[in-house]
Amino acid sequence: EAQVTQNPRYLITVTGKKLTVTCSQNMNHEYMSWYRQDPGLGLRQIYYSMNVEVTDKGDVPEGYKVSRKEKRNFPLILESPSPNQTSLYFCASSLDEGGKTQYFGPGTRLLVL
Amino acid sequence: QKEVEQNSGPLSVPEGAIASLNCTYSDRGSQSFFWYRQYSGKSPELIMSIYSNGDKEDGRFTAQLNKASQYVSLLIRDSQPSDSATYLCAVYTGGFKTIFGAGTRLFVKA
Repeated sequence: EAQVTQNPRYLITVTGKKLTVTCSQNMNHEYMSWYRQDPGLGLRQIYYSMNVEVTDKGDVPEGYKVSRKEKRNFPLILESPSPNQTSLYFCASSLDEGGKTQYFGPGTRLLVL
Repeated sequence: QKEVEQNSGPLSVPEGAIASLNCTYSDRGSQSFFWYRQYSGKSPELIMSIYSNGDKEDGRFTAQLNKASQYVSLLIRDSQPSDSATYLCAVYTGGFKTIFGAGTRLFVKA
């Protein structure tokens, strides 16, 4: 089954404790992206990747890191989480650049205390 | 700052009626336009994409694009309670960037 998976689905952590949210897709998609979704603000792009070892900042990259060592995986790293990073996070992938349909993972709900 | 604007709603329509959802965007160079549906607590899923001016129909859904007015709309005919969700307008502006609107909440009353 073609899908995007994320783990964990729910996470409660404390300020400053490094965490990683994993994202994996099995569709051989080149383009992957991370979004955060907050009430009233919609989906905002954090980082995106055009291919292996090629990443760039989206609209809200502060406090986040990403890597793309393999085509299928695109982890999101929070080196020192803060309460303002409490949000719902989605990973997405598409066949090529963002002009095509994006397929979203199930989401990760993060609470930073 | 490139923007995509939607009325947050909620938009409430009776079952069987036509629901009309609207979206405006600021970047005239935008190339591709999408409507995603998002049920509460779930991830967005694509329901329509449109790339050129005019109407595009798929079942009960019709997307309309007017690039001159920078306006995209989604019509849902014969609305069903299962259509109750948040509808996100998304615009691909080039440069690997897709901008999402904040979404319109739709309620279809049985």
